Amino acid sequence: EPEVTQTPSHQVTQMGQEVILRCVPISNHLYFYWYRQILGQKVEFLVSFYNNEISEKSEIFDDQFSVERPDGSNFTLKIRSTKLEDSAMYFCASSVLANYEQYFGPGTRLTVT
Amino acid sequence: EDQVTQSPEALRLQEGESSSLNCSYTVSGLRGLFWYRQDPGKGPEFLFTLYSAGEEKEKERLKATLTKKESFLHITAPKPEDSATYLCAVRDNDYKLSFGAGTTVTVRA
Repeated sequence: EPEVTQTPSHQVTQMGQEVILRCVPISNHLYFYWYRQILGQKVEFLVSFYNNEISEKSEIFDDQFSVERPDGSNFTLKIRSTKLEDSAMYFCASSVLANYEQYFGPGTRLTVT
Repeated sequence: EDQVTQSPEALRLQEGESSSLNCSYTVSGLRGLFWYRQDPGKGPEFLFTLYSAGEEKEKERLKATLTKKESFLHITAPKPEDSATYLCAVRDNDYKLSFGAGTTVTVRA
């Protein structure tokens, strides 16, 4: 069964460093998303991406964040200068069309020290 | 802003003891209510989508129902492997899912 994959599973970085989180969405899906979940809190929407453009973003997704689809399979989230409060699980998701269910990857645990 | 409230926060069940989880929502125009299962340290796993009041979906021991203001996830004769956090989410446009805080279900053998 096709699934969303994410790498790395765990990333430790120092405050102020740049990180890139990688995702491979399900192959026939056209819509891609990033969410995050701070330990013990709700899953929060960050951004959605379609046709090489951001289609919606939340207030969390400020200028420190960017997304890219560098090739036909990968979808990345970059945090330019990490802060302690960026520590969270980051989930990538994809859907075949906008109004269909979203399938989530296993997540990348980001720890900022 | 979309509001999703799940209750109870935690539920401890004996194996075989059926129960229901509640998800109440406030959204300007519902374009789907979703149930996910999340195991510790893992990503949400899709269970059901409901689009309109009166709709019901079933999968093994799980059944989801929808009214105009809330959704229920019924767990019938649960087994220990049904232990997980169950998340409810709503969508009011084409993109963003707004999640509730979840109900953590523990099923004892």
